Amino acid sequence: DAGVTQSPTHLIKTRGQQVTLRCSPISGHKSVSWYQQVLGQGPQFIFQYYEKEERGRGNFPDRFSARQFPNYSSELNVNALLLGDSALYLCASSSGRIQETQYFGPGTRLLVL
Amino acid sequence: AQKVTQAQTEISVVEKEDVTLDCVYETRDTTYYLFWYKQPPSGELVFLIRRNSFDEQNEISGRYSWNFQKSTSSFNFTITASQVVDSAVYFCALISSSASKIIFGSGTRLSIRP
Repeated sequence: DAGVTQSPTHLIKTRGQQVTLRCSPISGHKSVSWYQQVLGQGPQFIFQYYEKEERGRGNFPDRFSARQFPNYSSELNVNALLLGDSALYLCASSSGRIQETQYFGPGTRLLVL
Repeated sequence: AQKVTQAQTEISVVEKEDVTLDCVYETRDTTYYLFWYKQPPSGELVFLIRRNSFDEQNEISGRYSWNFQKSTSSFNFTITASQVVDSAVYFCALISSSASKIIFGSGTRLSIRP
């Protein structure tokens, strides 16, 4: 079975631009979570979606938004990019609640210039 | 509030040595879950173990073992007879039953020298 997939793998943007990252969960998983990992730090929780509803939100500004589609795939949108948004963005899927084991995708490396 | 502390920023050992990665956590909840993940240079987080707060049995999986001690709020990870392929950053994580987000530690970079 395929694991969590993310696209694109790498992305370069300039300040002020907008970006959309995509994630497809493991087949059968209904929950998707997004994390930001800045170099040298642990992942920071951004959002969790379960059954197309937001179930959790981390301490990120409103420039960050996400949604989940009927097929449980998800998009993370970041508006008005800042240099500090440069990071590895990880998507994880789980069967349900956020307390369940989360399985991570390979991530999208975003560089903001 | 939840908190995870991985005090060891970097560890370097010679192949075949045993190595223990420390994880200390804080939570006020009585029901919580602890995780260990491995992050190789490729960047993908690889799940290693999930343990709930009511199961204090130590676990062994091949060369990996985990020591969960509620009395000291620790969930340490030991690799026996380390191999070069074990080189990675290892993260400990915590979520309480009442929480809506997982908290990761800052990670320990493990380097295994041939």
